[in-house]
Amino acid sequence: EVQLVESGGASVQPGGSLRLSCAASGFMFNRKWMHWVRQTPGEGLVWIARIKGDESETTYADAAKGRFTISRDNAKNMLYLEMKSLRVEDTGMYYCLRGLGDDRWTGKAWIYNDGMDVWGQGTVVTVSS
Amino acid sequence: LLTQVPLSLSVTPGQPASISCQTNQSLLHSDGRTYLYWYVQKTGQSPQLLLYEASNRFSGVPDRFSGSGSGTDFTLKISRVESEDVGIYYCMQSIHLYTFGQGTKLEVK
Repeated sequence: EVQLVESGGASVQPGGSLRLSCAASGFMFNRKWMHWVRQTPGEGLVWIARIKGDESETTYADAAKGRFTISRDNAKNMLYLEMKSLRVEDTGMYYCLRGLGDDRWTGKAWIYNDGMDVWGQGTVVTVSS
Repeated sequence: LLTQVPLSLSVTPGQPASISCQTNQSLLHSDGRTYLYWYVQKTGQSPQLLLYEASNRFSGVPDRFSGSGSGTDFTLKISRVESEDVGIYYCMQSIHLYTFGQGTKLEVK
């Protein structure tokens, strides 16, 4: 059974840091793009970042650039999200997601545009003074 | 930007339901695929994938769910709503990184 289990959520003060973890099982972890998505009552679902299966490529939403770092340890089947300089607006439920499909060769370049198929149960981050 | 309409709907069991998702940029890629997805989030659960690439049902999704549309206008249809379909339905595009619609809350009367 494919499973994603997040952990590491906590209550922190503005300006603080936190590392979220996601334990993956039931599939070839090192072959899959992985993502982080945040959900809040105000913003809804917001994509944060993704990382390629072989760790060679990462992509971030503009709001995450410079403060958040996505990484993975394929030997441990673990995905991470390092968050620093946390703001009140970073409060929310953070989900780890598995990407669908694989990179495709268009004849000119490799591309990856697939969505996501499996979500973890989420971990809650609260940023408050 | 993805705009879902309506934001909520209440449907009698056995009746159809339809949710629209509109974008301001085409989701048809030069590779021929359309990068539009539908998810449902049931109460207390994480979202789960219903449809991928606009019209393909994900594994295990009942055939009462269908997706249609192209370019910038898409529709999720439930042919006969059941009580278990209660939840919030989201569309998502993945051609320009990833963005989600605001969600449509489906209530079953």
